[in-house]
Amino acid sequence: GNSVTQMEGPVTLSEEAFLTINCTYTATGYPSLFWYVQYPGEGLQLLLKATKADDKGSNKGFEATYRKETTSFHLEKGSVQVSDSAVYFCALSFGNEKLTFGTGTRLTIIP
Amino acid sequence: KAGVTQTPRYLIKTRGQQVTLSCSPISGHRSVSWYQQTPGQGLQFLFEYFSETQRNKGNFPGRFSGRQFSNSRSEMNVSTLELGDSALYLCASSAQLAGVETQYFGPGTRLLVL
Repeated sequence: GNSVTQMEGPVTLSEEAFLTINCTYTATGYPSLFWYVQYPGEGLQLLLKATKADDKGSNKGFEATYRKETTSFHLEKGSVQVSDSAVYFCALSFGNEKLTFGTGTRLTIIP
Repeated sequence: KAGVTQTPRYLIKTRGQQVTLSCSPISGHRSVSWYQQTPGQGLQFLFEYFSETQRNKGNFPGRFSGRQFSNSRSEMNVSTLELGDSALYLCASSAQLAGVETQYFGPGTRLLVL
């Protein structure tokens, strides 16, 4: 079946550091890929998405590129802020089917 | 547009009781999905409704059920609650965005079963 593997957390960085959260997937075919973010006490917010190979999703300084050859969708940000502290989920889906999520990566940014 | 709303936000029940959670999708969205989030199992898909019909279903026991109304609002019901049903229940409505079915989540209902 389909699955998503994220890097183990928690991740702790200093403000203005470079961020990478690794995400790889296993699927038959070419799914759409998503990153969602969950702030404390809240639901999930769509951060960015990509639908085909070499697509780059970007939002709020975050970027991720759909790499078919490595089945990856790593999340990056050049300079993180304290307000980026949250849990980040990588996910995939096919068409109108369910989202399959990774386990989430907790990110803490220290001033 | 208003986002996805869920009521109630917090709920405390005891084992054996039943509970009904409500979700109002974004205006114009016809698909509603439900997910359960727990520390141990992460995010798991419960079911999806489209135009009042269940279109997809996850691997949950029959105690978990749902329905969708003609205005696209959805409810999920859990009967005979167990301690393990304590979780954050998330609802998402979806629509095509730039050709991609994209799900937008509500804030969730946090259920505690004692």
